[in-house]
Amino acid sequence: DIQMTQSPSPLSASVGDRVTITCQASQDISKYINWYQQKPGKAPKLLIYDASNLETGVPSRFSGSGSGTDFTFTISSLQPEDIATYYCQQYDNVITFGQGTRLEIK
Amino acid sequence: QVQLVQSGAEVKKPGASVKVSCKASGYTFPNFGISWVRQAPGQGLEWMGWISAYNGNTNYAQKVQGRVTMTTDRSTSTVYMELRSLRSDDTAVYYCARDIRDWGTFDIWGQGTMVTVSS
Repeated sequence: DIQMTQSPSPLSASVGDRVTITCQASQDISKYINWYQQKPGKAPKLLIYDASNLETGVPSRFSGSGSGTDFTFTISSLQPEDIATYYCQQYDNVITFGQGTRLEIK
Repeated sequence: QVQLVQSGAEVKKPGASVKVSCKASGYTFPNFGISWVRQAPGQGLEWMGWISAYNGNTNYAQKVQGRVTMTTDRSTSTVYMELRSLRSDDTAVYYCARDIRDWGTFDIWGQGTMVTVSS
């Protein structure tokens, strides 16, 4: 199975900061990667699909980029409601998730 | 509105089986597959498998292959996930999720079902 390595975790940032999370795949997955947000006690929420496409209704401060094995998820200006754990997920073959990045307020 | 509603929490003994349901509403049920994803306490997300709501075809993760069965009932727009020979490390929240791209992109999630395996 393809391994997805996320970093950093945890991540501490201040409101208004630009926040970047990276995800590295163990082999080439083209652009078959999604990003999810999960708040405590809640189901995950799809934010970005196919590496860089913003899901309908998701604020434009969220973005994604990358292809092949290296991917980036960015929050351009951190808001208090963005405190959550973020997961990357690949679907090139067998579906696997990264280990998650817990985002904390500094 | 589009939603997936799952059955309630379960407590099972090691070696038993559990069957979790996921009822879809607000969309054309056969048009989208459903995956099951679980999350052990304090841990990350683990994909368990996928089922076509159109014809019942399945694809299971190797880790649970042989212990899991996913089925659909088109008459009630419900998907079921049965896990057998339960072990303590099967204790987790189990989610169903709608797959909008037929493989691997989950836009709607159920609320989760806590399954506790304990003697």
